[in-house]
Amino acid sequence: DAGITQSPRHKVTETGTPVTLRCHQTENHRYMYWYRQDPGHGLRLIHYSYGVKDTDKGEVSDGYSVSRSKTEDFLLTLESATSSQTSVYFCAISERGLGAFFGQGTRLTVV
Amino acid sequence: TQLLEQSPQFLSIQEGENLTVYCNSSSVFSSLQWYRQEPGEGPVLLVTVVTGGEVKKLKRLTFQFGDARKDSSLHITAAQPGDTGLYLCAGDLSSNTGKLIFGQGTTLQVKP
Repeated sequence: DAGITQSPRHKVTETGTPVTLRCHQTENHRYMYWYRQDPGHGLRLIHYSYGVKDTDKGEVSDGYSVSRSKTEDFLLTLESATSSQTSVYFCAISERGLGAFFGQGTRLTVV
Repeated sequence: TQLLEQSPQFLSIQEGENLTVYCNSSSVFSSLQWYRQEPGEGPVLLVTVVTGGEVKKLKRLTFQFGDARKDSSLHITAAQPGDTGLYLCAGDLSSNTGKLIFGQGTTLQVKP
């Protein structure tokens, strides 16, 4: 299994609070991604990174920001959490873009 | 915008039956990937197809990429209860940067 760890695995937070999710990899892969998975929508790309300090928006980036200061860490921040951001968040890594390896997910509930 | 249509969304079959899952788009993909996901876990990569017309086999699973690289299928022969899970197709639109567009998934239940 690819070395990819997400933290926390579960989180409940209140509307309006900032939240940061962490993804850590030990594979030295260039590409890292954040997806969210919702019933009826499948997985949708939030942001991705193609190197240290190199990031770009995905399909559903509004309300989210990311940072990658080291190859191994990719942080996703919900600037002011809303109920619509209740979801399961997955981090993924890939090298050469030919197949991704996913973390176990973070279940986030915004109340 | 859903660019990748996956069908069927749900499938319940008996052990030993064959099945096919389809993934269709109007877009051309540089690669098409299939994943399997168990409850509470992340998707796990099964296969990546890159060349139009390509066929790959993984034990009882056969994956095909359409000639025009717009569609793909997953065929399972003699399904077993251990095949139960969510199957996802995902297309890479952007020349191997790995930005994936996912289908909505097919939930497969194989009854003993």
